[in-house]
Amino acid sequence: EDQVTQSPEALRLQEGESSSLNCSYTVSGLRGLFWYRQDPGKGPEFLFTLYSAGEEKEKERLKATLTKKESFLHITAPKPEDSATYLCAVQERDDKIIFGKGTRLHILP
Amino acid sequence: DAMVIQNPRYQVTQFGKPVTLSCSQTLNHNVMYWYQQKSSQAPKLLFHYYDKDFNNEADTPDNFQSRRPNTSFCFLDIRSPGLGDAAMYLCATSARYSGANVLTFGAGSRLTVL
Repeated sequence: EDQVTQSPEALRLQEGESSSLNCSYTVSGLRGLFWYRQDPGKGPEFLFTLYSAGEEKEKERLKATLTKKESFLHITAPKPEDSATYLCAVQERDDKIIFGKGTRLHILP
Repeated sequence: DAMVIQNPRYQVTQFGKPVTLSCSQTLNHNVMYWYQQKSSQAPKLLFHYYDKDFNNEADTPDNFQSRRPNTSFCFLDIRSPGLGDAAMYLCATSARYSGANVLTFGAGSRLTVL
């Protein structure tokens, strides 16, 4: 059973069309939930860490939120340069960090 | 700039011919990770180290081995690569905090098996 499930698998938006990506998780004892951005052929790049339900973090056009079972990455008025794969990951009690499959986001100009 | 460097960026090998991928870091992080990522799939954790304390995932094949001779370096050895081992191999590092471990990734090593 997957511990981290992301949806949708792929999303195409027009420039300026806001939307949200979902990450649901089933781990207990969450130490942290992470969002990373991955461009083709590169390593993931850190965006946010969320620690507890109700927490929110923002960076430019991105806002991440967390509940007890899922996290959302909201993208407001996206631009073509926001096109990438967005990965969600969770950490339980130890150093082990498990990733979801990601959402491939494509912003059309 | 402090960073995580992986070598080689691209590796082509023949079926069954051993391969070693390297990772070095200047961040002085005590946790190092190796992930395998196939196309459109989640990065899959193979191993991680806390200092020299080695942690092997239960489903990591025996064909994969790792060494960490010091804080700065970590190696991934694939003893007899099969076609199914073709993937991007990602090294990441983290400091262990009381909170959560933010990963810094290298650019990855893409392995092709002929």
